Amino acid sequence: AQSVTQLGSHVSVSEGALVLLRCNYSSSVPPYLFWYVQYPNQGLQLLLKYTSAATLVKGINGFEAEFKKSETSFHLTKPSAHMSDAAEYFCAVMNSGGYQKVTFGTGTKLQVIP
Amino acid sequence: KAGVTQTPRYLIKTRGQQVTLSCSPISGHRSVSWYQQTPGQGLQFLFEYFSETQRNKGNFPGRFSGRQFSNSRSEMNVSTLELGDSALYLCASSPDPGQTNYGYTFGSGTRLTVV
Repeated sequence: AQSVTQLGSHVSVSEGALVLLRCNYSSSVPPYLFWYVQYPNQGLQLLLKYTSAATLVKGINGFEAEFKKSETSFHLTKPSAHMSDAAEYFCAVMNSGGYQKVTFGTGTKLQVIP
Repeated sequence: KAGVTQTPRYLIKTRGQQVTLSCSPISGHRSVSWYQQTPGQGLQFLFEYFSETQRNKGNFPGRFSGRQFSNSRSEMNVSTLELGDSALYLCASSPDPGQTNYGYTFGSGTRLTVV
């Protein structure tokens, strides 16, 4: 079985401050990990993905995430928040080694305060 | 390259009715997955289709069904609608199940309201 846990359903940061959204996963085999972003009344957009290559993954809009196997974590960061980053962010896991469905976390809503 | 197209974008139905939602994946993508998104339950996996075959199914009642056509377009159907079926239904496409590290491309969703 696979699962992800996102700590904090709501996170507020000031514009220009560091963004840190937490994700811990559980997987019986090496996982593939993803971060998606959702703007109001829209579908989800892929921000970045870890697929067993480099542990530090860079994505779109200045976001990056680091895969830490020892901590079973895949936290999303951005050095400086922008107002346009306000959205809901979802961490997701898929087991590697054959087709498996993707399991999503419960999401973290990011508020950026001017 | 066109994205994932879901129609209609908004739908209002009455309890007891049935509804059909449509999804056209990215050209060349053969796998289509459906998710239900609600504020209380988050993203819940409904089912996944590849080459007109349902390959995976979530824990939803039999009122929820789907199919995929030879051109990879997919439809999902919900019969005997209940108030709790009100949700955003999202369709996601990927090249095929063998490319598991591709990630999904999502459509904008269909907002279903049951009254």
